[in-house]
Amino acid sequence: AQTVTQSQPEMSVQEAETVTLSCTYDTSENNYYLFWYKQPPSRQMILVIRQEAYKQQNATENRFSVNFQKAAKSFSLKISDSQLGDTAMYFCAFMKLGSGTYKYIFGTGTRLKVLA
Amino acid sequence: GAVVSQHPSRVICKSGTSVKIECRSLDFQATTMFWYRQFPKQSLMLMATSNEGSKATYEQGVEKDKFLINHASLTLSTLTVTSAHPEDSSFYICSALGLPLSGANVLTFGAGSRLTVL
Repeated sequence: AQTVTQSQPEMSVQEAETVTLSCTYDTSENNYYLFWYKQPPSRQMILVIRQEAYKQQNATENRFSVNFQKAAKSFSLKISDSQLGDTAMYFCAFMKLGSGTYKYIFGTGTRLKVLA
Repeated sequence: GAVVSQHPSRVICKSGTSVKIECRSLDFQATTMFWYRQFPKQSLMLMATSNEGSKATYEQGVEKDKFLINHASLTLSTLTVTSAHPEDSSFYICSALGLPLSGANVLTFGAGSRLTVL
């Protein structure tokens, strides 16, 4: 069974600084997707970034980028130029391809606070 | 982009009553919808997967008679909490996977429903 681990329950960063959130996962699969979702105080889950396992190039979305290390089963999220609006709970998620179920497995989350 | 509407956002009910939560995909057809439960400061726990026109698949430990899921159309899934008790109080979130797939199997989430059972 797949598992997703986020070892940092809480983190804080000064506004405009850079922060990295860690995520590791365990799977024997070769084809899968990885995601980072953000859940602000409104509780709405918002997709931040996604990565296909077959792609070696790390995904980037504006200030958000990932460091995907497939062999190490690591998928960290880097937030550059942190903004107050980045304050949220961040969840890492794994989805196996080919099963037909499209089930996501979420990590336990990292609570990020951006300080003014 | 894809939007999922979840209603109601908050509901308070008396113990023993049933509550229905609706999840609608507004601008796409959702072949598969997922229902999650989230306890305070915890992660999302998958309760069940519903596919349009078929019975929902429940995760281990989730009572199918307590949490009734109906996915009667490609744009609507409902979760009914039957004979609710205070321990059912929680935040319930739905998500949908659309047709055509966005190319990355991305889930779109509703805004969630907070259920409080008195």
